[in-house]
Amino acid sequence: SQTIHQWPATLVQPVGSPLSLECTVEGTSNPNLYWYRQAAGRGLQLLFYSVGIGQISSEVPQNLSASRPQDRQFILSSKKLLLSDSGFYLCAGSDSNQPQHFGDGTRLSIL
Amino acid sequence: GDSVTQMEGPVTLSEEAFLTINCTYTATGYPSLFWYVQYPGEGLQLLLKATKADDKGSNKGFEATYRKETTSFHLEKGSVQVSDSAVYFCALKDSNYQLIWGAGTKLIIKP
Repeated sequence: SQTIHQWPATLVQPVGSPLSLECTVEGTSNPNLYWYRQAAGRGLQLLFYSVGIGQISSEVPQNLSASRPQDRQFILSSKKLLLSDSGFYLCAGSDSNQPQHFGDGTRLSIL
Repeated sequence: GDSVTQMEGPVTLSEEAFLTINCTYTATGYPSLFWYVQYPGEGLQLLLKATKADDKGSNKGFEATYRKETTSFHLEKGSVQVSDSAVYFCALKDSNYQLIWGAGTKLIIKP
């Protein structure tokens, strides 16, 4: 079965700084990949998903972007972080009709 | 569009109590249904799933039955433990293989 690796586990960044969160997948090829954000005590908000290299769909317009430079690599980025970008970011992967598997998440705090 | 509605939390129970967390859905077609669990500070883990009407998913003493007639997928456990304290998410997979999430239900088990 697939394993999702995310890093770092926690990150503290100042407002206006750039961001790069990386997610890699093991144990499968050509997975669907997802970035979610979870605000404190809230549910999951889908930010981006990708069905293949270079293919990114954005669910929510904002100052974040995503890229998929390799089949099993999914990157979440920002050029300038806002206070509202604080949250718990989760990467997930799935094989078309199979359940999504999640990484351990990155807790991002913006100061 | 498709949607998932969960009972609001937090749900607070004593150890060994019976648990029910309600989940209902609206969807076109016949979605797959899932329960995920999120322990404090961690990512989400798939708890159980059901792919067609009358299927029963089960894992770690938890059960949920796919009820098409009532469009429900309630999570149950006969005797909860302190270690079951977590946030539980109900989700369905739509025709585009995207997960539609409930808002999550926080479960607190007191010894």
